[in-house]
Amino acid sequence: AQSVAQPEDQVNVAEGNPLTVKCTYSVSGNPYLFWYVQYPNRGLQFLLKYITGDNLVKGSYGFEAEFNKSQTSFHLKKPSALVSDSALYFCAVRALGGGADGLTFGKGTHLIIQP
Amino acid sequence: KAGVTQTPRYLIKTRGQQVTLSCSPISGHRSVSWYQQTPGQGLQFLFEYFSETQRNKGNFPGRFSGRQFSNSRSEMNVSTLELGDSALYLCASSPGTLETQYFGPGTRLLVL
Repeated sequence: AQSVAQPEDQVNVAEGNPLTVKCTYSVSGNPYLFWYVQYPNRGLQFLLKYITGDNLVKGSYGFEAEFNKSQTSFHLKKPSALVSDSALYFCAVRALGGGADGLTFGKGTHLIIQP
Repeated sequence: KAGVTQTPRYLIKTRGQQVTLSCSPISGHRSVSWYQQTPGQGLQFLFEYFSETQRNKGNFPGRFSGRQFSNSRSEMNVSTLELGDSALYLCASSPGTLETQYFGPGTRLLVL
């Protein structure tokens, strides 16, 4: 079975400071990793993904994520936070070879950017 | 391209009734997945369809079913509704089964 852990329910960051939202995963075989963002009363918006290649992945709105195979982590980062980044962030994993499971999501992390 | 559309956006039903939710994928996408989002359980995978065939199914009771049509549009049905079925139901489409999924706005179901 595959799983995702987002250890922080909430992350508070001052505007202009760097931010990190943590994610660790468990999957059989190689992972296919995603970050999505959800604004109130909206669906999920795709931010970025990792399949293979460079461990640092760049995505939408200035976000990036770093894949670390030995630590089974895929932390989301941004060098300078904006108030408009405040939202609910989800990490998701799927086995690269497919399998019986769809995307498995973490519980989500509320990111609050303070002006 | 237009995004994923879901209808209806809001729905109120009573226990024991059944409900059908509809999803239209992004043009050209052949895979549709459904997810249930609740405050307690978070986002949970329901099922995945590709070319009218169910490819994967999550751990939900048989009351939850779905189908996909030849134009890739999908419907999911929940029979004998329970209070615990109250949730945001999200549909996502992708070109193929192992590609990035793009989500619709969801259907918010309230069971009274």
